Amino acid sequence: AQSVTQLDSQVPVFEEAPVELRCNYSSSVSVYLFWYVQYPNQGLQLLLKYLSGSTLVKGINGFEAEFNKSQTSFHLRKPSVHISDTAEYFCAVSEGGSGTYKYIFGTGTRLKVLA
Amino acid sequence: EPEVTQTPSHQVTQMGQEVILRCVPISNHLYFYWYRQILGQKVEFLVSFYNNEISEKSEIFDDQFSVERPDGSNFTLKIRSTKLEDSAMYFCASSVSGSGNTIYFGEGSWLTVV
Repeated sequence: AQSVTQLDSQVPVFEEAPVELRCNYSSSVSVYLFWYVQYPNQGLQLLLKYLSGSTLVKGINGFEAEFNKSQTSFHLRKPSVHISDTAEYFCAVSEGGSGTYKYIFGTGTRLKVLA
Repeated sequence: EPEVTQTPSHQVTQMGQEVILRCVPISNHLYFYWYRQILGQKVEFLVSFYNNEISEKSEIFDDQFSVERPDGSNFTLKIRSTKLEDSAMYFCASSVSGSGNTIYFGEGSWLTVV
């Protein structure tokens, strides 16, 4: 069965500093991987996704993530954060080609950017 | 940009009452979903719907829950007899196709059962 682990429940970081939000997954089949962001009192917005091909994917708002199959990881990074990046970030996995289309979400990481 | 819209944004209901949450998916999308997020917890899959029938459901989606696409635009989630533990944010979502395709989420309906 699929599962997603986000090891850090909260990550405080100063403005303009780099940040990495960690995500590990487990699955016995090929997977598709996603990062979503949830701003306060809003829905989930897709940041980026990995389906196949290049393991480094770039998303919106300057975020990028790298798929590492051997380490079963899909960590999210940004070289320089802004106050406006303060939000909850969710990693999600979907099994590829299995006929199931649901996403399994991690527990989320709350990024707090400090001035 | 097209978006998934949900109503109501917030509903308070008494335990045991029926609740219907409504959603208008993106117009050319064929797959529809409901997820929920209990306060402070992760987003959980409830059900997926394709071609006018449930394609998959989780163990959370028991007999108290049902989904329907009553016309060409709406997609509803009904909870027949609400319990306190049904209090959560319910997200509707849709996608063009299935596996690997981006799922677009609405802004959610916050349900409070008292």
